[in-house]
Amino acid sequence: GNSVTQMEGPVTLSEEAFLTINCTYTATGYPSLFWYVQYPGEGLQLLLKATKADDKGSNKGFEATYRKETTSFHLEKGSVQVSDSAVYFCALSPNSGGSNYKLTFGKGTLLTVNP
Amino acid sequence: NAGVTQTPKFQVLKTGQSMTLQCAQDMNHEYMSWYRQDPGMGLRLIHYSVGAGITDQGEVPNGYNVSRSTTEDFPLRLLSAAPSQTSVYFCASSGWGGSGLTTDTQYFGPGTRLTVL
Repeated sequence: GNSVTQMEGPVTLSEEAFLTINCTYTATGYPSLFWYVQYPGEGLQLLLKATKADDKGSNKGFEATYRKETTSFHLEKGSVQVSDSAVYFCALSPNSGGSNYKLTFGKGTLLTVNP
Repeated sequence: NAGVTQTPKFQVLKTGQSMTLQCAQDMNHEYMSWYRQDPGMGLRLIHYSVGAGITDQGEVPNGYNVSRSTTEDFPLRLLSAAPSQTSVYFCASSGWGGSGLTTDTQYFGPGTRLTVL
């Protein structure tokens, strides 16, 4: 079956530091890949996504590139802010057979950014 | 648009009690799902629906029932609550929406934090 593995947290950084959160996946076919973010006390919201190999998703200074050869979708940001403190989830959609809505999530990575 | 709404926000139950978690969306989405979020486990799919009258089981369906009589509403029922069901529950929806949206972009409600004693 499909699975997503992301780096264990928590991750603590100082403001303006570089962020990488690793994510690898196992899936058949050509899944779509996502990063969702959960701010304290809120539900998840889509941060970025990529639907095919070599696509780069980007939003709010975050980027992730769909690497089929390494089955990875690592999240990066060049300079984090305190407001980026949240839990980040990597996820995949099977993108086949009409079941795009069935997402598989990683366990989440808690990011804390200190001023 | 209110998006996806969930009630209640917090609930405490005793073992054996039953209750219904409510979820509604006003985006005319076909697909709705229920997830539970547990520490160190990420989100796990409980049940999902591809349209009114159609539901199916996800990864962790035991102890939960769902129905979908309208496009807007997708309630989750706990028939006999157990401490293992202590969790945060999220409802999500997705659909074509007629505005370039795709079914794989899910919109989440704010969650219901449930404690079973």
